[in-house]
Amino acid sequence: KQEVTQIPAALSVPEGENLVLNCSFTDSAIYNLQWFRQDPGKGLTSLLLIQSSQREQTSGRLNASLDKSSGRSTLYIAASQPGDSATYLCAVRSGSRLTFGEGTQLTVNP
Amino acid sequence: ETGVTQTPRHLVMGMTNKKSLKCEQHLGHNAMYWYKQSAKKPLELMFVYSLEERVENNSVPSRFSPECPNSSHLFLHLHTLQPEDSALYLCASSRNHQGNSPFSGNTIYFGEGSWLTVV
Repeated sequence: KQEVTQIPAALSVPEGENLVLNCSFTDSAIYNLQWFRQDPGKGLTSLLLIQSSQREQTSGRLNASLDKSSGRSTLYIAASQPGDSATYLCAVRSGSRLTFGEGTQLTVNP
Repeated sequence: ETGVTQTPRHLVMGMTNKKSLKCEQHLGHNAMYWYKQSAKKPLELMFVYSLEERVENNSVPSRFSPECPNSSHLFLHLHTLQPEDSALYLCASSRNHQGNSPFSGNTIYFGEGSWLTVV
């Protein structure tokens, strides 16, 4: 059974810092890994999708890496802003199933 | 707007009521999903439909009954729920490919969710 763990559970940083969110998964037989953002009381917004054959994906200030063999992914956020405050979720796709971690709650302080 | 619309956004129901959650996607996708999000727990997959056929039923109690009449619409019928069923119910959709790995390579898009409170 696939298990996804995200560390840290919560993170508070001053504006402008570069930061890294971690995601690990137990079964490396995945199709892809996806990072999401969730604002309080809202649905999930897709940020980045990395295929199992890829090593990283970039979108603006976000960069996600994938090391499938070690079961790890990181989401790097450059020059953080207060608007980045949200819960960040990673999810791995195995067949029809998308398994989520519990998320990292990020607060960026002005 | 993600192209996945859920109604109602908020629902309060008694344990003896029957209600339904509705999801509609305008993205031309052919797979739809129901997830449950409870406080301090990871999202739990409930049901997956691909090409209007249920392909995954993740040991969900029978008081939750899904219906997928076409590739754009997904319902979750609720009957005699328990207070512990109170949660955010999220609908999602994706485009599946043909072949042996239909779920590979596709981004999944979520709706805003339906907040359910069972009293």
